[in-house]
Amino acid sequence: QLQLQESGPGLVKPSETLSLTCTVSGGSISSRSFHWGWIRQAPGKGLEWIGSIYYSGSTYYSASLKSRVTMSVDTSTNQFSLSLRSVTAADAAVYYCAREGGSSLDYWGQGTLVAVSS
Amino acid sequence: EIVLTQSPATLSLSPGERATLSCRASQSVSKYLAWYQQKPGQAPRLLIYDTSNRATDIPARFSGSGSGTDFTLTISSLEPEDFAVYFCQQRKNWPLYTFGQGTKLEIK
Repeated sequence: QLQLQESGPGLVKPSETLSLTCTVSGGSISSRSFHWGWIRQAPGKGLEWIGSIYYSGSTYYSASLKSRVTMSVDTSTNQFSLSLRSVTAADAAVYYCAREGGSSLDYWGQGTLVAVSS
Repeated sequence: EIVLTQSPATLSLSPGERATLSCRASQSVSKYLAWYQQKPGQAPRLLIYDTSNRATDIPARFSGSGSGTDFTLTISSLEPEDFAVYFCQQRKNWPLYTFGQGTKLEIK
C-alpha cells in the first residue's frame, strides 16, 4: 500500500523559507506513470494546489506561488521536497503531499501543520 | 484560470436520504472532474475521478455524473460516515489543478 508522509518544521518565521519533505513508501517515486504534488489548506479554508514534480525533475507551479516556490526530487531516497520563500501569515496552513494519478490526486499524506510566527 | 463553484455551501440531510452536490466550472473541463471527501483532521480522500469513475474501495452509493461545465456527485443513501466536506477538482488545463470551495454535508 502506497504511503506518503510529510515532515518538516511546524513553525517558520515571517520572511524565512518553509521547507518540507515528503517520503514515499510502498512504491517508487521513479514510476513514469505519476507526478507528485503539494497542496495546502489554510485553517477552515479550501484546498490550494501548489505544484507538481516528476521523477525526472520537471516541475509545474501554481501561477500565484511560482515566484516563491521550488520543488525537488531525490529518487535515491524516494522523497520529494517543497521550499516556499519569504513566507507570511497567509502561508500558514496544513501542507499535504500527494500522488497525481492522471487527472486526480489518488494518494495523500496525512498533512503537516505549518504556522508562521516570530 | 478555470473557477469551480460548488453548491450548496451546506447541505443538511438525514441518514438514509439521497444527497446531490453540484460543481459548476467557469468553462468546459471536458471529463476531467474529480470529487474528494474530507473529514475533520484528515486528508482528502479521492472518491470519483474523470467525472464518473469510482476510486479504489469507494462504495457504490457514491456516483458522479455530468460533462463540460456541470457536474454532480450523488450519494444514494447517506450513511453516518458520509457526513463530511466534499470538494470538486478539475485538471482540464494540465498540469494545473483547481478546486471548488467545498460543500459541507451535515446531519439534519
